Formats: sequence, structure tokens, C-alpha cells
Amino acid sequence: GAGVSQSPRYKVAKRGQDVALRCDPISGHVSLFWYQQALGQGPEFLTYFQNEAQLDKSGLPSDRFFAERPEGSVSTLKIQRTQQEDSAVYLCASSLNRQPHPFFGPGTRLTVL
Amino acid sequence: DAKTTQPPSMDCAEGRAANLPCNHSTISGNEYVYWYRQIHSQGPQYIIHGLKNNETNEMASLIITEDRKSSTLILPHATLRDTAVYYCIVDRMDSSYKLIFGSGTRLLVRP
Repeated sequence: GAGVSQSPRYKVAKRGQDVALRCDPISGHVSLFWYQQALGQGPEFLTYFQNEAQLDKSGLPSDRFFAERPEGSVSTLKIQRTQQEDSAVYLCASSLNRQPHPFFGPGTRLTVL
Repeated sequence: DAKTTQPPSMDCAEGRAANLPCNHSTISGNEYVYWYRQIHSQGPQYIIHGLKNNETNEMASLIITEDRKSSTLILPHATLRDTAVYYCIVDRMDSSYKLIFGSGTRLLVRP
């Protein structure tokens, strides 16, 4: 069956460019999460949606990071004016409402030069 | 900050049991122990979770001590495909959206 998909899988950006990362959650999953994973570290929470509502964005590192899920399904994480420290793998996960564990996608590896 | 402590790396021989320890001495009564693993270039994969009883599924067994301050994930017959980073996480079931992963244990299964 289809799992969580993310695109692109790899993205190279020049410092200062804007990027948009897409997440297609599992069909019917109400909850959607974004995590950031730096090299050699565990994933760190960025933000959480329930349907189209962004209920928690406490993990977004700066106002250059913006996430949306306008129709409660596909989500986009946008990073404006990328910096080298934004280089990381960005993971998306989804789950049914109140399911104890989310399902993760393969991630998008962002490299900022 | 992560609420768990895990060894940074372990190894075991293929076909043998892999026992991965985790300390969570500050665990609260309503917090569960979750285990995830992350194979290279993939997203984290849920393995198992438990509250206080030992649990077993098709992937692994979870042994939680009686005082709940530590647990062990057991892969009964490790294969090369089990080489991964294993994360032990404690969280309330109703707040599992904000999982705190820590650095995990890098398990290498040797041929």
C-alpha cells in the first residue's frame, strides 16, 4: 500500500534561495507532522497539523520557515532565504487521529551551498 | 531534551539476539516507551511500544523493568537488514505527535 511520500527526495539550493518541500500523507490520515534531521542527529519536531489546522509550530527554527496544509491533505514546507544551517533531511509523518505512532516518509535531503 | 539514555553504538552477529538497552529513570506513570528504528536513507519506522507489561510483535520484544526506569528491545534473530539506528522514546500516548528522538543506538549486525 501507499505510504507517506515526499518530493523532491534531494534538493540543492544556493544560499538565499527559497525552497518548497512537498509531503503526501497516507490517505485519510488526519494528523501530519514535519521533522528536521541534521546529520548524525535524531529527528527534531518542527510543526503539527490536524486536518488543515496548524496546531503546533513551536519547533520551526525561524520565521523563514513556513508550513501549510490548505485542504487537509498535501502539505508544503517552505523555507525562505535558505542558509547553510538549513541543510538537513526534512521528514514528514502522518497518522490517524489519536493513533499512537505516526508513519514517516523517506525525507527530503536539502543541501544549501 | 531527550528523556532517555542509550548507548551510542552496539554490534551483534547475524542470527544472534540483539538486546538494546534504554534508561528512562524519570518516566511518568502515564508515559509509554516507544521504539523506532531508522535504516540508512529512510524515515524512522515504528517497532513497538509498551506501558508496563512486556510486549511482543512480529518485529521485536520489549521488556520493561518493574520500576519502569529502563527497558530492553530484543531482536531475537538479527539479520543484516536490522542494521540501523534504534531510538527509544518516552511519551504520553495522546501527545505522540511531538516525539523527542535523542541520538539513538547505532546497531551494526555483522555477517
